[in-house]
Amino acid sequence: KQEVTQIPAALSVPEGENLVLNCSFTDSAIYNLQWFRQDHGKGLTSLLLIQSSQREQTSGRLNASLDKSSGRSTLYIAASQPGDSATYLCAVRKSGSRLTFGEGTQLTVNP
Amino acid sequence: GAGVSQSPSNKVTEKGKDVELRCDPISGHTALYWYRQSLGQGLEFLIYFQGNSAPDKSGLPSDRFSAERTGGSVSTLTIQRTQQEDSAVYLCASSLIRQGGADTQYFGPGTRLTVL
Repeated sequence: KQEVTQIPAALSVPEGENLVLNCSFTDSAIYNLQWFRQDHGKGLTSLLLIQSSQREQTSGRLNASLDKSSGRSTLYIAASQPGDSATYLCAVRKSGSRLTFGEGTQLTVNP
Repeated sequence: GAGVSQSPSNKVTEKGKDVELRCDPISGHTALYWYRQSLGQGLEFLIYFQGNSAPDKSGLPSDRFSAERTGGSVSTLTIQRTQQEDSAVYLCASSLIRQGGADTQYFGPGTRLTVL
């Protein structure tokens, strides 16, 4: 059974700091890995999707990497802003359908 | 374009009543998913529809839960004889199924269900 773990569970940083969120998964036979953002009381917004054949994806100040063999992904956020405050979720998809989610990292960026 | 929409946004019901939750996926998306997000439980998969194939119901927690997708578009998740432990946010997502795994799932805002 696929298990997804995210560390840390919560993170509080001052504005402008670069930061790294970690995601690990137990079964490396994945189809893709997706990072989401969830604002309090809202739905999920897709940030980045990395296919199993890829090693990283970039979008603006966000960079996600994937090391499938070791079962790890990181989300790097550069020059963090208060608007980045949210819960960040990592999810993996095996061949098939469902996404298996981590518990999330709750990020607070203080002005 | 329009994203995934869900209704109602909030639903309060009494224990033992039936509820129906609706999802309108992004137009043209062939795959539709239901997930549940409970306090302290994280997000868990419930059911998946893809085209005309038989749905993957392996995540449904009990036979009180059912879902259908009419005409390959709108989906309804039905919970019969609701229990307090059914209280959660129910999220719907849709995607295009692409070769190579680049099938981003787009989520709706969710329905917050409270069972009293």
